[in-house]
Amino acid sequence: ETGVTQTPRHLVMGMTNKKSLKCEQHLGHNAMYWYKQSAKKPLELMFVYNFKEQTENNSVPSRFSPECPNSSHLFLHLHTLQPEDSALYLCASSQEWRGGEETQYFGPGTRLLVL
Amino acid sequence: SQQGEEDPQALSIQEGENATMNCSYKTSINNLQWYRQNSGRGLVHLILIRSNEREKHSGRLRVTLDTSKKSSSLLITASRAADTASYFCATDRMRGGTSYGKLTFGQGTILTVHP
Repeated sequence: ETGVTQTPRHLVMGMTNKKSLKCEQHLGHNAMYWYKQSAKKPLELMFVYNFKEQTENNSVPSRFSPECPNSSHLFLHLHTLQPEDSALYLCASSQEWRGGEETQYFGPGTRLLVL
Repeated sequence: SQQGEEDPQALSIQEGENATMNCSYKTSINNLQWYRQNSGRGLVHLILIRSNEREKHSGRLRVTLDTSKKSSSLLITASRAADTASYFCATDRMRGGTSYGKLTFGQGTILTVHP
Protein backbone atom coordinates (compact mmCIF):
# COMPACT_ATOMS: atom_id res chain seq x y z
CA GLU A 1 0.00 0.00 0.00
CA THR A 2 1.34 3.41 -0.98
CA GLY A 3 -1.06 5.51 1.11
CA VAL A 4 -3.05 6.57 -1.95
CA THR A 5 -6.46 4.97 -2.50
CA GLN A 6 -8.71 5.19 -5.53
CA THR A 7 -12.37 4.31 -5.98
CA PRO A 8 -13.90 2.69 -7.82
CA ARG A 9 -11.27 0.25 -9.01
CA HIS A 10 -13.29 -0.64 -12.10
CA LEU A 11 -15.92 1.38 -13.92
CA VAL A 12 -18.00 0.71 -17.01
CA MET A 13 -20.01 3.62 -18.35
CA GLY A 14 -21.94 4.59 -21.41
CA MET A 15 -21.09 7.66 -23.42
CA THR A 16 -24.02 9.61 -21.98
CA ASN A 17 -23.32 8.78 -18.33
CA LYS A 18 -21.81 11.03 -15.69
CA LYS A 19 -19.51 9.47 -13.16
CA SER A 20 -16.74 10.52 -10.80
CA LEU A 21 -13.44 9.00 -9.82
CA LYS A 22 -12.19 9.57 -6.31
CA CYS A 23 -8.66 9.66 -4.95
CA GLU A 24 -7.59 10.03 -1.35
CA GLN A 25 -4.08 10.25 0.07
CA HIS A 26 -3.13 9.58 3.66
CA LEU A 27 0.44 10.83 3.41
CA GLY A 28 0.02 14.45 4.38
CA HIS A 29 1.05 15.54 0.89
CA ASN A 30 0.16 18.85 -0.70
CA ALA A 31 0.24 17.97 -4.40
CA MET A 32 -2.02 15.56 -6.28
CA TYR A 33 -2.06 14.41 -9.88
CA TRP A 34 -4.27 12.65 -12.41
CA TYR A 35 -2.65 10.51 -15.09
CA LYS A 36 -4.11 8.54 -17.98
CA GLN A 37 -2.49 5.26 -19.00
CA SER A 38 -3.61 3.82 -22.31
CA ALA A 39 -2.38 0.63 -23.87
CA LYS A 40 0.93 1.02 -25.71
CA LYS A 41 1.22 4.72 -24.83
CA PRO A 42 3.32 6.48 -22.21
CA LEU A 43 1.71 7.68 -19.03
CA GLU A 44 0.00 11.03 -19.77
CA LEU A 45 -0.22 13.74 -17.14
CA MET A 46 -3.70 15.28 -17.08
CA PHE A 47 -3.90 17.62 -14.10
CA VAL A 48 -1.78 18.83 -11.21
CA TYR A 49 -3.00 20.42 -8.00
CA ASN A 50 -0.56 22.01 -5.59
CA PHE A 51 -1.95 23.22 -2.25
CA LYS A 52 -5.45 22.85 -3.76
CA GLU A 53 -4.64 25.12 -6.69
CA GLN A 54 -4.59 23.73 -10.22
CA THR A 55 -1.12 24.29 -11.63
CA GLU A 56 -1.26 22.13 -14.73
CA ASN A 57 -3.94 21.27 -17.25
CA ASN A 58 -2.28 19.27 -19.95
CA SER A 59 -4.71 20.18 -22.74
CA VAL A 60 -7.29 17.78 -21.41
CA PRO A 61 -10.75 17.81 -23.06
CA SER A 62 -13.47 19.50 -21.05
CA ARG A 63 -15.37 16.23 -20.65
CA PHE A 64 -12.83 15.59 -17.87
CA SER A 65 -13.32 17.96 -14.94
CA PRO A 66 -11.06 17.80 -11.88
CA GLU A 67 -11.93 18.92 -8.39
CA CYS A 68 -9.65 19.25 -5.38
CA PRO A 69 -11.65 20.24 -2.29
CA ASN A 70 -8.66 19.80 0.04
CA SER A 71 -5.10 18.51 -0.07
CA SER A 72 -6.16 14.95 0.73
CA HIS A 73 -8.89 14.46 -1.86
CA LEU A 74 -8.99 14.65 -5.61
CA PHE A 75 -11.88 13.92 -7.94
CA LEU A 76 -12.17 13.47 -11.67
CA HIS A 77 -15.67 14.11 -12.96
CA LEU A 78 -16.49 12.40 -16.23
CA HIS A 79 -19.28 13.21 -18.67
CA THR A 80 -20.07 12.35 -22.28
CA LEU A 81 -16.90 10.32 -22.65
CA GLN A 82 -15.75 8.60 -25.82
CA PRO A 83 -14.66 4.96 -26.24
CA GLU A 84 -11.07 6.16 -26.72
CA ASP A 85 -11.18 7.47 -23.16
CA SER A 86 -11.11 3.88 -21.93
CA ALA A 87 -7.90 3.54 -19.95
CA LEU A 88 -6.37 3.13 -16.52
CA TYR A 89 -6.66 6.41 -14.61
CA LEU A 90 -4.00 6.84 -11.99
CA CYS A 91 -3.91 9.28 -9.13
CA ALA A 92 -0.64 10.27 -7.48
CA SER A 93 0.51 12.56 -4.71
CA SER A 94 3.76 14.14 -3.61
CA GLN A 95 4.95 16.31 -0.75
CA GLU A 96 4.54 19.28 -3.06
CA TRP A 97 4.75 19.97 -6.76
CA ARG A 98 8.32 20.73 -7.79
CA GLY A 99 7.99 20.68 -11.53
CA GLY A 100 9.05 17.08 -11.98
CA GLU A 101 11.70 16.85 -9.28
CA GLU A 102 9.30 15.34 -6.79
CA THR A 103 8.87 11.66 -5.98
CA GLN A 104 5.29 10.68 -6.65
CA TYR A 105 3.22 8.05 -4.87
CA PHE A 106 0.59 6.36 -6.98
CA GLY A 107 -2.75 4.81 -6.23
CA PRO A 108 -3.81 1.47 -7.76
CA GLY A 109 -5.83 3.14 -10.49
CA THR A 110 -9.37 3.00 -11.83
CA ARG A 111 -9.84 0.83 -14.91
CA LEU A 112 -12.42 2.68 -17.03
CA LEU A 113 -14.29 1.19 -19.94
CA VAL A 114 -16.50 3.47 -22.03
CA LEU A 115 -19.05 1.69 -24.16
CA SER B 1 11.11 9.06 -30.69
CA GLN B 2 10.03 10.14 -27.23
CA GLN B 3 11.67 11.51 -24.12
CA GLY B 4 12.41 8.64 -21.77
CA GLU B 5 12.55 5.72 -24.17
CA GLU B 6 13.21 2.41 -22.50
CA ASP B 7 15.11 -0.39 -24.12
CA PRO B 8 14.40 -3.24 -24.54
CA GLN B 9 10.61 -3.12 -24.75
CA ALA B 10 10.44 -6.58 -23.23
CA LEU B 11 12.95 -8.73 -21.36
CA SER B 12 12.55 -12.35 -20.30
CA ILE B 13 15.05 -13.96 -17.93
CA GLN B 14 15.40 -16.79 -15.43
CA GLU B 15 15.35 -16.32 -11.69
CA GLY B 16 18.79 -15.52 -10.37
CA GLU B 17 19.94 -13.75 -13.51
CA ASN B 18 20.59 -10.03 -13.71
CA ALA B 19 18.25 -7.75 -15.64
CA THR B 20 19.43 -4.56 -17.30
CA MET B 21 17.09 -1.94 -18.71
CA ASN B 22 18.10 1.24 -20.44
CA CYS B 23 16.50 4.64 -20.80
CA SER B 24 17.43 7.36 -23.26
CA TYR B 25 16.22 10.93 -23.25
CA LYS B 26 16.63 13.96 -25.46
CA THR B 27 16.60 17.13 -23.38
CA SER B 28 18.57 18.29 -20.37
CA ILE B 29 17.27 17.06 -17.04
CA ASN B 30 17.67 17.77 -13.34
CA ASN B 31 16.95 14.23 -12.30
CA LEU B 32 15.79 10.87 -13.56
CA GLN B 33 13.56 8.47 -11.70
CA TRP B 34 12.73 4.80 -12.12
CA TYR B 35 9.30 3.42 -11.31
CA ARG B 36 7.89 -0.09 -11.30
CA GLN B 37 4.33 -1.13 -12.16
CA ASN B 38 2.81 -4.51 -11.51
CA SER B 39 0.19 -5.50 -14.06
CA GLY B 40 -2.79 -3.14 -13.96
CA ARG B 41 -1.65 -1.47 -10.74
CA GLY B 42 -0.19 1.88 -9.78
CA LEU B 43 3.45 2.82 -10.13
CA VAL B 44 5.90 2.47 -7.29
CA HIS B 45 8.93 4.74 -7.03
CA LEU B 46 12.21 2.83 -7.01
CA ILE B 47 15.03 5.32 -7.14
CA LEU B 48 15.92 8.89 -8.10
CA ILE B 49 19.27 9.92 -9.49
CA ARG B 50 20.25 13.56 -9.91
CA SER B 51 22.05 14.96 -12.93
CA ASN B 52 25.25 15.43 -10.92
CA GLU B 53 25.28 11.78 -9.82
CA ARG B 54 26.69 8.93 -11.88
CA GLU B 55 25.61 5.88 -9.94
CA LYS B 56 23.22 5.01 -7.17
CA HIS B 57 22.35 1.81 -5.33
CA SER B 58 19.30 0.63 -3.46
CA GLY B 59 19.25 -2.98 -2.34
CA ARG B 60 19.44 -5.14 -5.49
CA LEU B 61 19.00 -2.08 -7.72
CA ARG B 62 21.81 -0.19 -9.35
CA VAL B 63 21.14 2.88 -11.46
CA THR B 64 23.65 4.71 -13.61
CA LEU B 65 23.31 8.02 -15.36
CA ASP B 66 25.42 9.30 -18.23
CA THR B 67 24.35 12.85 -18.99
CA SER B 68 26.79 13.13 -21.91
CA LYS B 69 24.97 10.27 -23.63
CA LYS B 70 21.61 11.23 -22.19
CA SER B 71 21.04 7.72 -20.96
CA SER B 72 20.43 5.76 -17.79
CA SER B 73 20.42 2.09 -16.93
CA LEU B 74 18.64 0.12 -14.24
CA LEU B 75 20.26 -3.13 -13.15
CA ILE B 76 18.38 -5.62 -11.00
CA THR B 77 20.71 -8.24 -9.61
CA ALA B 78 19.76 -11.78 -8.64
CA SER B 79 16.27 -11.36 -10.05
CA ARG B 80 13.24 -13.02 -8.51
CA ALA B 81 9.88 -14.01 -9.96
CA ALA B 82 8.38 -11.19 -7.87
CA ASP B 83 10.41 -8.68 -9.91
CA THR B 84 8.12 -9.39 -12.87
CA ALA B 85 6.64 -5.99 -13.73
CA SER B 86 6.92 -3.04 -16.10
CA TYR B 87 9.71 -0.59 -15.39
CA PHE B 88 9.52 3.07 -16.40
CA CYS B 89 12.00 5.88 -16.37
CA ALA B 90 10.72 9.40 -15.81
CA THR B 91 12.50 12.69 -16.34
CA ASP B 92 11.89 16.34 -15.61
CA ARG B 93 12.56 17.76 -19.04
CA MET B 94 14.38 21.06 -19.31
CA ARG B 95 14.68 23.57 -22.12
CA GLY B 96 16.84 26.62 -21.94
CA GLY B 97 17.38 26.08 -18.24
CA THR B 98 13.65 26.02 -17.57
CA SER B 99 11.73 22.95 -16.51
CA TYR B 100 8.67 21.79 -18.43
CA GLY B 101 7.20 21.43 -14.97
CA LYS B 102 6.22 17.80 -15.03
CA LEU B 103 7.51 14.25 -15.03
CA THR B 104 7.67 12.68 -18.49
CA PHE B 105 7.42 8.90 -18.52
CA GLY B 106 8.69 6.47 -21.11
CA GLN B 107 6.73 3.55 -22.47
CA GLY B 108 8.46 1.10 -20.20
CA THR B 109 10.25 -2.23 -20.29
CA ILE B 110 8.19 -5.32 -19.51
CA LEU B 111 10.33 -7.65 -17.41
CA THR B 112 9.36 -11.29 -16.97
CA VAL B 113 11.35 -13.40 -14.53
CA HIS B 114 10.70 -17.11 -14.84
CA PRO B 115 10.97 -19.25 -11.70
